[in-house]
Amino acid sequence: EVQLVESGGGLVQPGGSLRLSCAASGFTFSSYSMNWVRQAPGKGLEWVSYISKSSSAIHYADSVKGRFSISRDNVKNSLYLQLNSLRAEDTAVYYCARFRILSDYSYMDVWGKGTTVTVSS
Amino acid sequence: EIVMTQSPATLSVSPGESATLSCRTSQSVGSNLAWYQQKPGQAPRLLIYGASTRATGIPARFSGSGSGTEFTLTISSLQSEDFAVYYCQQCNNWPPLTFGGGTKVEIK
Repeated sequence: EVQLVESGGGLVQPGGSLRLSCAASGFTFSSYSMNWVRQAPGKGLEWVSYISKSSSAIHYADSVKGRFSISRDNVKNSLYLQLNSLRAEDTAVYYCARFRILSDYSYMDVWGKGTTVTVSS
Repeated sequence: EIVMTQSPATLSVSPGESATLSCRTSQSVGSNLAWYQQKPGQAPRLLIYGASTRATGIPARFSGSGSGTEFTLTISSLQSEDFAVYYCQQCNNWPPLTFGGGTKVEIK
């Protein structure tokens, strides 16, 4: 079964740090680009970060640039998101999602269930 | 950045009726648009990609159309499990990847 499982969320104080993980199984992880997407309480979906198959290309949303860092380990079939200098507005459920890039279309076809990050004093 | 506008914000529909959801982009994305369904407490699920291609396992009552800047998701004969929030997303001109604000389909 194709599956993504996030972990590492929790309660952290403003200015603190957290490292999220996403464990992939059921598919060849190294063959796919990946994304992190977040959803603040009661709000819509917000793309956070992208990493290519070999980590050669990385992109961030302006809202997290310079504070968050995405990485992956294709041996461990895992995706990571390092969250630094956290702010209250970073409070959200964080999802990892597999990204299919075809010649004409791209889309996120597999999603994890998410891990919750709460930034509060 | 491509801005995505979904309308209406909320759609009240009776079971068995059809629903038409709209997504507009601030500039052309060709056909590189996806639709996702999200139920409370669950992750989003891919419904449509390439504006009109149903994802694996998605029932035929879901259909997508449009190109350029105007897109539509139609759900025919709504079932109880279809009441959810629906998001469109463009993957044509990025970063950033952008989502619409969502349309909530609720029971009338």
